Order: sequence, then structure tokens, then C-alpha cells
Amino acid sequence: AQSVTQPDIHITVSEGASLELRCNYSYGATPYLFWYVQSPGQGLQLLLKYFSGDTLVQGIKGFEAEFKRSQSSFNLRKPSVHWSDAAEYFCAVGSLPGRTGTASKLTFGTGTRLQVTL
Amino acid sequence: DAGITQSPRHKVTETGTPVTLRCHQTENHRYMYWYRQDPGHGLRLIHYSYGVKDTDKGEVSDGYSVSRSKTEDFLLTLESATSSQTSVYFCAISESQAGPLHFGNGTRLTVT
Repeated sequence: AQSVTQPDIHITVSEGASLELRCNYSYGATPYLFWYVQSPGQGLQLLLKYFSGDTLVQGIKGFEAEFKRSQSSFNLRKPSVHWSDAAEYFCAVGSLPGRTGTASKLTFGTGTRLQVTL
Repeated sequence: DAGITQSPRHKVTETGTPVTLRCHQTENHRYMYWYRQDPGHGLRLIHYSYGVKDTDKGEVSDGYSVSRSKTEDFLLTLESATSSQTSVYFCAISESQAGPLHFGNGTRLTVT
């Protein structure tokens, strides 16, 4: 079964500092990987996705993530954090289903809450 | 934002009563999902649909049923609500089998 681990429950960074959020996955074949962000009281917004190809993926809001198959990781990075980036971040893994016509089922990590100090 | 509307946004109900949550989309996407979000658990899949009248169970489906009679609507029913079903419920849609998913703003359900 696929699984996702986000080892950091809570991270605090200063505004303007760099950020890296960790994500490790477990899956037998090539996964599809996603990062989502959730502001309080809101739904999840897609930041970026990896399906195949270039292992460095660019997303919205200046975020990027790198797929490292050897480490089973898909860490999210941002060179300079803004106060508005304070939110909860979720990594998710999915795959194509075995049967055509059915849906892929994403498995989510438990999230990392980012606090930004001014 | 993807055109997803969840209703109601908030609901308080008593143990043992039936509850139906509605997800309505205007994107004509084939795939629809119900997740629940609880502290320390992230999001967990309850049920999903891959077409009209085509649904399947997720990892936490016990106590829940779903129906999809039209492309745009996906209903989640708690036949007899329990306190363990107090949660925030998210509907998501996807255009393709592999995702990505686009989420609604959630329904906060409290079972007293």
C-alpha cells in the first residue's frame, strides 16, 4: 500500500529565509506526487505536481519540489518565504489504478504547519 | 478556482440522525471524491466515483454511503451519525484518472 510521511509537524521560519518541507513516500512503482497548501478554513490548493520527466518541478507562488527516486522523497522548497506563506502543507502520492475506468486514489501525509515570523 | 460547491458549510447534528452532504461541480469532471480531515490524520479517502452510478470505497468507508446520479452531484450520507464522524469533509474533483484533485472548501460536521 502506498504511504506518505511528513516528518515535521510544525516548522517556524523567518520571513525572507529559505524553506524546505520534507516528504517521503512509499510506493512500488513510479508514483504521481503532489503538494497542496491549506489556509485556515479553506480547502486545499494545488501547489505543484510530478507525473514524469524533469525531476525538478516548478509550482505556483514561487515553490518548487524535487523528485529523488533513490531517496523516495519529494521535498518542497522556496528560496525566500513571505508572511503569507504561513499555512499547512500536504504532500500526496497517487498512481494510475490497475483497472481502466476507475480513479486514482491519493494518499495524503499528515501535514506540516508552517509559521512565519516577521 | 474549480467550480465546486459543498453544502452545507457547517452542520451540527445529534448522534443517530441521518446526514447528507452535497458536492456540486460545474466542471463536468468525471472523477469525484469525498475525504475527511482530522488532526493528526491528514486527509483520508471515504468514497470516490469514476462516473455516474460508478462508485467505490476508500480507506475509511464504514458508516458512509454515496450516490452519484448526475455528473455534477456527489452525495455523502451518514446513515446514523456517530461522534467519531465529527470532522471536516472535503469533496474533490479530477478531470483525469491520475489527478490532480481540486478541492471544495469543506463542510464542518459536528455530531453531539
